[in-house]
Amino acid sequence: DAGVIQSPRHEVTEMGQEVTLRCKPISGHDYLFWYRQTMMRGLELLIYFNNNVPIDDSGMPEDRFSAKMPNASFSTLKIQPSEPRDSAVYFCASSSLRGPIEAFFGQGTRLTVV
Amino acid sequence: KNEVEQSPQNLTAQEGEFITINCSYSVGISALHWLQQHPGGGIVSLFMLSSGKKKHGRLIATINIQEKHSSLHITASHPRDSAVYICAPHTDKLIFGTGTRLQVF
Repeated sequence: DAGVIQSPRHEVTEMGQEVTLRCKPISGHDYLFWYRQTMMRGLELLIYFNNNVPIDDSGMPEDRFSAKMPNASFSTLKIQPSEPRDSAVYFCASSSLRGPIEAFFGQGTRLTVV
Repeated sequence: KNEVEQSPQNLTAQEGEFITINCSYSVGISALHWLQQHPGGGIVSLFMLSSGKKKHGRLIATINIQEKHSSLHITASHPRDSAVYICAPHTDKLIFGTGTRLQVF
């Protein structure tokens, strides 16, 4: 398996634009997590899914953020409209409780909103 | 109070030194991860442990579930160990410490 794949790796967008981040988890993993990392707040959990169902979205900062997981192999995190304070690195991770609880992280998407 | 406390926040060492990073948490967990993040930004899971001790090369991780405490040790540290080390207890999701920035000269 190629690991957790995120795209794009870098995104620069203007304030007010819609941004969509994508994640392909490791095949067979039934948990998918979206995290955000900033200098000020470190790593924060935004939302996680179990078997494609959102379980906890309490970390989603506001209604401008939404996440979907239409199937077991794909998830999106959307920001609409984007703001400069959304600039951060967004990580996707997947894991499975059927095996060892090992979380595998994607390389992250560095988002800059200007 | 944060659910996860790491210490120290910053650590500078000379090559060859023995390094210890500590993590205390206040929540019930099923496991705990130690993560490494290099300056390039990628995050790698070093260990996942739920009891006792694990060793991988020069890295050793221990956990005491009763005391809600874990440590990461690096023996014979090397400049390539320079990174941020993050403690991440696993409840029904991963929660994160603030990280320890290690620089080895």
